[in-house]
Amino acid sequence: DAGITQSPRHKVTETGTPVTLRCHQTENHRYMYWYRQDPGHGLRLIHYSYGVKDTDKGEVSDGYSVSRSKTEDFLLTLESATSSQTSVYFCAISERTVGAEQYFGPGTRLTVT
Amino acid sequence: RKEVEQDPGPFNVPEGATVAFNCTYSNSASQSFFWYRQDCRKEPKLLMSVYSSGNEDGRFTAQLNRASQYISLLIRDSKLSDSATYLCVVNKSGGYNKLIFGAGTRLAVHP
Repeated sequence: DAGITQSPRHKVTETGTPVTLRCHQTENHRYMYWYRQDPGHGLRLIHYSYGVKDTDKGEVSDGYSVSRSKTEDFLLTLESATSSQTSVYFCAISERTVGAEQYFGPGTRLTVT
Repeated sequence: RKEVEQDPGPFNVPEGATVAFNCTYSNSASQSFFWYRQDCRKEPKLLMSVYSSGNEDGRFTAQLNRASQYISLLIRDSKLSDSATYLCVVNKSGGYNKLIFGAGTRLAVHP
């Protein structure tokens, strides 16, 4: 299994509070991704990173920001959590760009009340 | 129209059965195709890549039809442990390896 950890694994928070999720990898892969997964939807890309300090938006980026100050860490911040952001969040990594398979972390289950 | 479409199932099959899943994609420029497996409340895991000529990995066979923009996964001799959701995944051409995930097809194998 790829060396990817996510923290926390579970979190309950209140509407309006900021939340930061962490993804940590030990594979030294260049590319990192944040997805959310909701019933009836495929995994949807929030943000991705193609190197330290290099990030870009995915298809559902509103309300989220990211940072990558080291190769191994990719942080996802919900600036002001809303109930619509209740979801399971997965981090993924890949070694190469176009065509490369991605490997996923164990996920963070976030509930916003 | 969704970029990647799959029959959500569930497919309920007995052990030993052969089952096939289909997937269609909308972007004719897509170059990379995968099947992932996801167990309940777990992360997706790569099952196999799908190559133009078709490929096999043990009991699993993947086929690609570019003309019809169609991908399939065949599982032979189903095991109880094959029960999971199978995700069809296609890359979005251009940009930094964005993958588009289907919503998944659920398989339940019973004794």
